[in-house]
Amino acid sequence: EVQLVESGGGLVQPGRSLRLSCAASGFTFDDYAMHWVRQAPGKGLEWVSGISWNSGSIDYADSVKGRFTISRDNAKNSLYLQMNSLRVEDTAFYYCVKETLGDKAFDYWGQGTLVTVSS
Amino acid sequence: QLVLTQSPSASASLGASVKLTCTLSSGHSSYAIAWHQQQPEKGPRYLMKLNSDGSHSKGDGIPDRFSGSSSGAERYLTISSLQSEDEADYYCQTWGTGIHKVFGGGTKLTVL
Repeated sequence: EVQLVESGGGLVQPGRSLRLSCAASGFTFDDYAMHWVRQAPGKGLEWVSGISWNSGSIDYADSVKGRFTISRDNAKNSLYLQMNSLRVEDTAFYYCVKETLGDKAFDYWGQGTLVTVSS
Repeated sequence: QLVLTQSPSASASLGASVKLTCTLSSGHSSYAIAWHQQQPEKGPRYLMKLNSDGSHSKGDGIPDRFSGSSSGAERYLTISSLQSEDEADYYCQTWGTGIHKVFGGGTKLTVL
């Protein structure tokens, strides 16, 4: 059974940093691209960042480019999102998402971790 | 620019069928999409990948009541024999050649 478990969310002041983690199990982690998707309260889904299986290809949404860094540790079956210079508008649930092999759709989602940026 | 457009809301009666629409932006009518369901207070769940020819492959455990079809730049999700638990937000998602992904704005489905 595929499981994606996020952690690291919480309350943080504007301008500070936070690091999210995602522990993956139930599949061969280093075969798949992985992503972070967020959802602000009462809003729709927004793709944040993605990373290929070998970290050779990485991309970010314009809204987080230069502030967020995605990474992965295939030996630990883990995905990370380092979030710096956080803004109030970064407040959202952050989901770890697995990409299908070859299709590029998302086929499994984590339960999400809430990041609240407030003074 | 790759954009997905969805109607903000839809409604249908218990036991009836409903067809939700996701429209690809001009020049992208050959793109595949995926449909995702988000029930209230839950994380999203993958429903299916839908190709431009209407062929689709569903996620694990997705009931036969859920089906997909395509026409030009339109991608459809049809839910038949509506049940109360189908009341949810439905999002379409697509992708280009790179890592970047795109979501539609979502459709809130109300089951009457």
